[in-house]
Parts: sequence; structure tokens; C-alpha cells
Amino acid sequence: DGGITQSPKYLFRKEGQNVTLSCEQNLNHDAMYWYRQDPGQGLRLIYYSQIVNDFQKGDIAEGYSVSREKKESFPLTVTSAQKNPTAFYLCASSPRLALEQYFGPGTRLTVT
Amino acid sequence: QKEVEQNSGPLSVPEGAIASLNCTYSDRGSQSFFWYRQYSGKSPELIMFIYSNGDKEDGRFTAQLNKASQYVSLLIRDSQPSDSATYLCAVNIRNYGQNFVFGPGTRLSVLP
Repeated sequence: DGGITQSPKYLFRKEGQNVTLSCEQNLNHDAMYWYRQDPGQGLRLIYYSQIVNDFQKGDIAEGYSVSREKKESFPLTVTSAQKNPTAFYLCASSPRLALEQYFGPGTRLTVT
Repeated sequence: QKEVEQNSGPLSVPEGAIASLNCTYSDRGSQSFFWYRQYSGKSPELIMFIYSNGDKEDGRFTAQLNKASQYVSLLIRDSQPSDSATYLCAVNIRNYGQNFVFGPGTRLSVLP
């Protein structure tokens, strides 16, 4: 059963703590992406990766970090430097850049 | 001008009618155009993509692309209450490294 998985579905953290969101895909896609969505707003690109061991900043990379050590995995760390981390985080993948993207179910992060 | 624009809605149509959703974009060099459906609290789901001028049909959905006028539209025939969702337009933008820029979405409400 091919697809993209994200875990956990809901995550609660205290302010000042780093937190890592998981994203795994078994679609054999080269490109992976992280987006953030705030209530009533569109998707904003945080980071993307076209290939293993390479990733690029998107529009709102400040306060976030990623790694791409395996083709299947693209974890996102929300650091304490991110001023407003509470949001819905979406991971996506595509065969390669500029082709159709498929989304995971998302992780809803709440920081208090 | 924003890179990708959509009417935020809500757009209300009666059940069985045709819903017409529009999207305009700023980059004349864009090559890839995508429509996603997002139910409240869920992740976006790919409905259609189109690369060439003209119409592309898939079941009750038709995507229409006019590169000269820089717009792409989505028609939903025989609208059902289950089509009620937010529809996101995504366009690859050269200045963003060929990444997608998502529009803010149009909220569609199909009334029984």
C-alpha cells in the first residue's frame, strides 16, 4: 500500500522545546516537501529536497531544520527559534520537482 | 500582484449544478498547473493536473488552461454535497525554483 505517512497526528509541546515531525514515503519519489498551513490560509513552503543529502529553503525556513539521509524519509525539526510554531504541518512528495505532489495526512502541532 | 490568486469564496451552488472555480497566475513561463481538494481538517488531495492549453476531463471534473490569459479553471459538473470543500490551485513558478505556489483556496459549498 503506497503512500506518505506522517506521525504523530497531533503533537503538543511546551514553548522552548524542539520537536521533530516524521515523514516517510514508499512511492519511490525523488522530491519531498514540507509545508505549513495556518487557519484559513494557503500552504507555505518551509523546505524541499530534490534528492538524498540535498535540501533547499522555502519561503519560511527560519526556525526549522530538515535532513534527507534516506530517499524515503524527510523529518522536520521545529526549533525553539520558530516564533509561532502552532500550525498544521504537511509533508508531500513528487516523482521529481515541478510534477504532481501527493500529501501525507498532516501533523497538527500545538505549542503552549 | 500575488503569484497565484483565487477568489476566496464561499462559492455556493445548488446540488446538480456546475461549479466553476478560477485561478490566475503571474508567471508567463509556468508549465504545470494543479487542482487540489481539501476537506476541513484534512490534507490536500490531488484532483487534476494540466500542462497544455485547452480542456482536460476526468469524470465530473474538467480543468481548463489558457496560458495566454494566464488562468486555469476547474469545472465540477453535477455538483454533490460531498464536493463541499476548499479547492486549491497550485502553479509551478520559475522564481521559486520551479516549486509550486499555492493559491489561498476557494471554499465551495454545494447546497442540497
